[in-house]
Amino acid sequence: QIQLVQSGADVKKPGASMKVSCKASGYIFTDYYIHWVRQAPGQGLEWMGWMNPNSGDTNSAQKFQGGVTMTRDTSVSTAYMELSGLKSDDTAVYYCAKSKLRIGLTHLPFFDYWGQGVLVAVSS
Amino acid sequence: DVQMTQSPATLSASVGDRVSITCRASQNIYTSLAWYQQKPGKAPNLLIYKASFSQRGAPSRFSGSGSVTEFTLTISSLQVDDFATYYCQQYNSFPYTFGQGTKLEIK
Repeated sequence: QIQLVQSGADVKKPGASMKVSCKASGYIFTDYYIHWVRQAPGQGLEWMGWMNPNSGDTNSAQKFQGGVTMTRDTSVSTAYMELSGLKSDDTAVYYCAKSKLRIGLTHLPFFDYWGQGVLVAVSS
Repeated sequence: DVQMTQSPATLSASVGDRVSITCRASQNIYTSLAWYQQKPGKAPNLLIYKASFSQRGAPSRFSGSGSVTEFTLTISSLQVDDFATYYCQQYNSFPYTFGQGTKLEIK
């Protein structure tokens, strides 16, 4: 069965960087985009960016450009999202999610499988 | 950015009720809309995509409709398991944006 398993929760200090992993199984990792979505405590969902695991191409929402880095290691079917210059309002649960449609078809970014989410708390 | 506005923010209903949640887009998104259900402490779960296409495994009591700027998620007969928060998401225009959510509560 398809699963996305993310790394554990963490506490970071303001100004630090965080890196979250997302290990995929049950499907061909390089066939589907991986997206990152975050959710601040008690708040709604915020889309951050996508990565093509096949090519390594990425794109992110403007507010995250320059601060977010999305990478992958295809040998272990794992995607990574690094966010630098953390502020307190970056405290959130960070999710990875798999696009439903295969790469090569029109990129329609809606998500049929999600990781369990990782809480990253930014506090001094 | 395309703004997605859901209404109501909170909805109180009883088991067996038929309920609808509305999502409005700030510009034409055609039918590029998905609906998700999220329970506390869990990741969102895809219910509907392309405005009205049901995700495999989603209960048949969930249906979606609409196009352009106005969309509706309808639950035909509420079950206990349906009390959760629902989000719409547009994927027509970058960046892809979510509504603020509708919390469905037990009356």
